[in-house]
Amino acid sequence: DARVTQTPRDKVTEMGQEVTMRCQPILGHNTVFWYRQTMMQGLELLAYFRNRAPLDDSGMPKDRFSAEMPDATLATLKIQPSEPRDSAVYFCASGRHREGQLYGYTFGSGTRLTVV
Amino acid sequence: GNSVTQMEGPVTLSEEAFLTINCTYTATGYPSLFWYVQYPGEGLQLLLKATKADDKGSNKGFEATYRKETTSFHLEKGSVQVSDSAVYFCALNNNDMRFGAGTRLTVKP
Repeated sequence: DARVTQTPRDKVTEMGQEVTMRCQPILGHNTVFWYRQTMMQGLELLAYFRNRAPLDDSGMPKDRFSAEMPDATLATLKIQPSEPRDSAVYFCASGRHREGQLYGYTFGSGTRLTVV
Repeated sequence: GNSVTQMEGPVTLSEEAFLTINCTYTATGYPSLFWYVQYPGEGLQLLLKATKADDKGSNKGFEATYRKETTSFHLEKGSVQVSDSAVYFCALNNNDMRFGAGTRLTVKP
């Protein structure tokens, strides 16, 4: 079965360090989403890309977060500098967008980030 | 804009009880509607979906009917099991994917 692959699975880092999370979308999918999940806020959409171009990053704190797609097989989410409040599970999801609909939408297993 | 509102939890039921988790949506056009389930330590998995009005999605004993007149997509199951304990998310696809806040279900033996 095709999967969305996220790395690392778990990350513990010290406050102030840079963190990079990676996502490999399913081959052929042209839309990639980043979500953050916490107990307090639930599942928040941070940003999403279509055909590697950012379409919406309004959910992402701009001062420390950045999201990119250097190529069609890799999406990255970077936090610099990291803070304890960034501790959460970060999910990537991908799908194939065509004529206003999203097909094959699939979640990765997430990266559990702990900032101490 | 597009948004989803679902019943807040947590919901605690005894095994074999009837389950309803309410979900309503706001969207322009003709969105597709989904229910996702998240088990502990895992990502979200598609449970069922409906792509047009009056469609009924069903899977593993769960059902939800796309009601355009009430903009709703309530999740139901006639007899829950302990293994159904998870967090359930209602979602809407209308160019992007929007999720409700999630409802935690705990089923006790």
